[in-house]
Amino acid sequence: DQQVKQNSPSLSVQEGRISILNCDYTNSMFDYFLWYKKYPAEGPTFLISISSIKDKNEDGRFTVFLNKSAKHLSLHIVPSQPGDSAVYFCAASVNLSGGKLIFGQGTELSVKP
Amino acid sequence: DTGVSQDPRHKITKRGQNVTFRCDPISEHNRLYWYRQTLGQGPEFLTYFQNEAQLEKSRLLSDRFSAERPKGSFSTLEIQRTEQGDSAMYLCASSTVRSLNTEAFFGQGTRLTVV
Repeated sequence: DQQVKQNSPSLSVQEGRISILNCDYTNSMFDYFLWYKKYPAEGPTFLISISSIKDKNEDGRFTVFLNKSAKHLSLHIVPSQPGDSAVYFCAASVNLSGGKLIFGQGTELSVKP
Repeated sequence: DTGVSQDPRHKITKRGQNVTFRCDPISEHNRLYWYRQTLGQGPEFLTYFQNEAQLEKSRLLSDRFSAERPKGSFSTLEIQRTEQGDSAMYLCASSTVRSLNTEAFFGQGTRLTVV
C-alpha cells in the first residue's frame, strides 16, 4: 500500500527553466509534508516543508504547493540550476505519529546546461 | 561537524553473519529514527526512539533486527543471521520535539551488502 506516490521516475529540464516535481498521497490523516533532495551515496537533505493548514510555502528558488482536496503536492524550482540535479523525495507524516515519515519513490531530476 | 553521523559507511558481510551499525544524532535532538532504502525506492521507516524509549517498530523489522538507544544519545541497529534481502542502505535520522512539526535530519547512511 503506497501511501505516497511520485509517478514520474525522472524529469529533464533545461537550465534556467522551471522544474515541477509532483507527489500524490492517499492518507487524509497526513498533516505535514516535506521534500528531500538526495545525491548518490549520501543521505537525504531537507529542502522545504509545508503544514496542511497552508497551501503554499516559499524558500528562495523553491516553492511547495499543497492541494488538500486533490491530495496532491508539488515542488517548483525556479530557475533550475545544474547543481539541482539529484533525486527528490516527497514525504508525509501525521503529527501524532512521532514524526515518522512516509516517502514516495523519488523523482530523478536532471538539469541540463 | 554537528550533523547526524553513521558508522560504518559501508559493510560487506557473508550471509548468516551478524552486523551492527551505529548512529550518533544531532546532540540536542531527542528523537532518533532508522530507515532502510533499497534501489529505486524511497526510505522505509523501521523504528524510532524518543530519548531512550523505543516507541514504534515497523512490520519490516523482523525478529532478526534489534535497535537500542541505551542512554538516549547514540543508537545501534543490529541484524542477526543476515540474509541477501537485507542488502540495502540503512539511514539514521534525528529530530526534536520542540515544535509540533519539524523536519528530520539524515546521516549519510550505512550501505550493507550481504554476499
